[in-house]
Amino acid sequence: GAGVSQTPSNKVTEKGKYVELRCDPISGHTALYWYRQSLGQGPEFLIYFQGTGAADDSGLPNDRFFAVRPEGSVSTLKIQRTERGDSAVYLCASSLQGLAGGGASYNEQFFGPGTRLTVL
Amino acid sequence: QKEVEQNSGPLSVPEGAIASLNCTYSDRGSQSFFWYRQYSGKSPELIMFIYSNGDKEDGRFTAQLNKASQYVSLLIRDSQPSDSATYLCAVKKGAGNNRKLIWGLGTSLAVNP
Repeated sequence: GAGVSQTPSNKVTEKGKYVELRCDPISGHTALYWYRQSLGQGPEFLIYFQGTGAADDSGLPNDRFFAVRPEGSVSTLKIQRTERGDSAVYLCASSLQGLAGGGASYNEQFFGPGTRLTVL
Repeated sequence: QKEVEQNSGPLSVPEGAIASLNCTYSDRGSQSFFWYRQYSGKSPELIMFIYSNGDKEDGRFTAQLNKASQYVSLLIRDSQPSDSATYLCAVKKGAGNNRKLIWGLGTSLAVNP
């Protein structure tokens, strides 16, 4: 079946611009996660959705970052007034269930291919 | 102290040897432990998870969990050059709606032919 998809695969923008990154999770997965990853680092957690609501947004670095998942499926990560330090690969993952319910087998995260964001 | 710690490596082993990757965690109440593999330029993919003390084997991979000492290991037997990747440890902690998944920075493994 289809895996997690992310668009665009690459995004180059100028400092100060607004960008939107899209994630389409695996059908039926209730939990969706956003991470960003810089070279040589592990995934940095940003936000996690359980259904339509943000279960944990403690990883969003500041109020320039916002994410939505209005129908409990596709999610959009929005970054306002981009800065050069926002350049990274933005990863999206989905899992069958969220962290609050279900055992480890339901928490396996399936990752999309990522969006490489470059802010010039 | 980081919540989840891994030696960044690189860990270099010859082909056919056993590679041993370690991960320590700070929250004694952590429940589940995941090992992901990430090839250069690709996204992470799950190798296995473990939640009970002891060993769990899957093919050439064995996860070992010791909750008393707060570490989880991944052993790769008969290492192959195709195992060369970064291995990420992730730990599920917390309770109820406050559960979180905490990621380590990863250990880079190089298997030399």
